[in-house]
Amino acid sequence: DAGITQSPRHKVTETGTPVTLRCHQTENHRYMYWYRQDPGHGLRLIHYSYGVKDTDKGEVSDGYSVSRSKTEDFLLTLESATSSQTSVYFCAISDPEGLYGYTFGSGTRLTVV
Amino acid sequence: AQSVTQPDIHITVSEGASLELRCNYSYGATPYLFWYVQSPGQGLQLLLKYFSGDTLVQGIKGFEAEFKRSQSSFNLRKPSVHWSDAAEYFCAVGVTGRRALTFGSGTRLQVQP
Repeated sequence: DAGITQSPRHKVTETGTPVTLRCHQTENHRYMYWYRQDPGHGLRLIHYSYGVKDTDKGEVSDGYSVSRSKTEDFLLTLESATSSQTSVYFCAISDPEGLYGYTFGSGTRLTVV
Repeated sequence: AQSVTQPDIHITVSEGASLELRCNYSYGATPYLFWYVQSPGQGLQLLLKYFSGDTLVQGIKGFEAEFKRSQSSFNLRKPSVHWSDAAEYFCAVGVTGRRALTFGSGTRLQVQP
């Protein structure tokens, strides 16, 4: 979607290195989410944000941190990447409570070698 | 525990045949429900949503879904499948007061000519 972009689209990194993924929106939505997608697991929530500097953990938050210093940007950081974090990462935005569904970014394919 | 189940990992149908994808949920509160579609290498696109009211909802691309409270189900249907419908389909559930959606593990649809 034009209103939400993720960068980079692809990244290969080495085990133990820090990695930051960026999600940028132009819709002025308060709510932003990071999910990871793995075969057989669907999408699992990593972290989400309900406003600037307001974030909370999802079901698979270990090894990940997030920051949101501006409404439009939501950063996901892998402090020390591991092979188990090889995945496709999706950012999403929504109205409060997600009642009208999410708008997803195109995803970031991360490979940790 | 709250959960969303898509019992069918993979379904193959012939072009022109009807389709039904199953979704069951386990939530204490009345949920709001979504179906998303993901084409290969793409993000997720919202097909349809249910909040309240008429239990049969219409979506884009000729899809519909029916909410059955007694069966805790929200199955997706299409009367005649097109080759372009080949994709992965995700059911998602949210409840008021919980700030993120929970996704099922997905059903991959293959369409035979």
